[in-house]
Amino acid sequence: AQKITQTQPGMFVQEKEAVTLDCTYDTSDQSYGLFWYKQPSSGEMIFLIYQGSYDEQNATEGRYSLNFQKARKSANLVISASQLGDSAMYFCAILNNDMRFGAGTRLTVKP
Amino acid sequence: EADIYQTPRYLVIGTGKKITLECSQTMGHDKMYWYQQDPGMELHLIHYSYGVNSTEKGDLSSESTVSRIRTEHFPLTLESARPSHTSQYLCASSDLTGGTGTEAFFGQGTRLTVV
Repeated sequence: AQKITQTQPGMFVQEKEAVTLDCTYDTSDQSYGLFWYKQPSSGEMIFLIYQGSYDEQNATEGRYSLNFQKARKSANLVISASQLGDSAMYFCAILNNDMRFGAGTRLTVKP
Repeated sequence: EADIYQTPRYLVIGTGKKITLECSQTMGHDKMYWYQQDPGMELHLIHYSYGVNSTEKGDLSSESTVSRIRTEHFPLTLESARPSHTSQYLCASSDLTGGTGTEAFFGQGTRLTVV
């Protein structure tokens, strides 16, 4: 079975600084996708970034980038130039036959 | 913008009632998923489907059922609601193959309260 691990229950970052949220995964499959979602207090799931297991380059979407290290089975999210509106829960997920999520990291951006 | 819809958005219901949470998507996605999530906590996979007439159990499937008669529709039924079912239920859909550039879309969620 696939498994996602997020080891940081909470993280703090100063506004305008960069922050890295950790995510490791375990799967025996060769073909899979890795996602990061943001969930504000309103409860909606906002897609941030996607990395396919066959993608050789790290995915980037605006201020978000995914540091994909396949051999280490890690897919860390880097948020550059943090904004107050980035304060939320962040979930890492792996998709193949099913889609599994990590426990999440609560990010708080300090002014 | 994602074309995946959940109804109702909010539901308060009495213990023992049978309820069906609706989820529909217009993107033609084969894979659909149901998750249960308490506020600020992780998402637990309840059921998922690979396509029409396909349903699979996740980690919290014992007290609910799903059906997939049409590609676009994936309803979740609780046969007898209990206070422990009070939670948010999220529906999602994606393309079939996870490793080839796809995205999973989420509905807005249904917040269920069982009294």
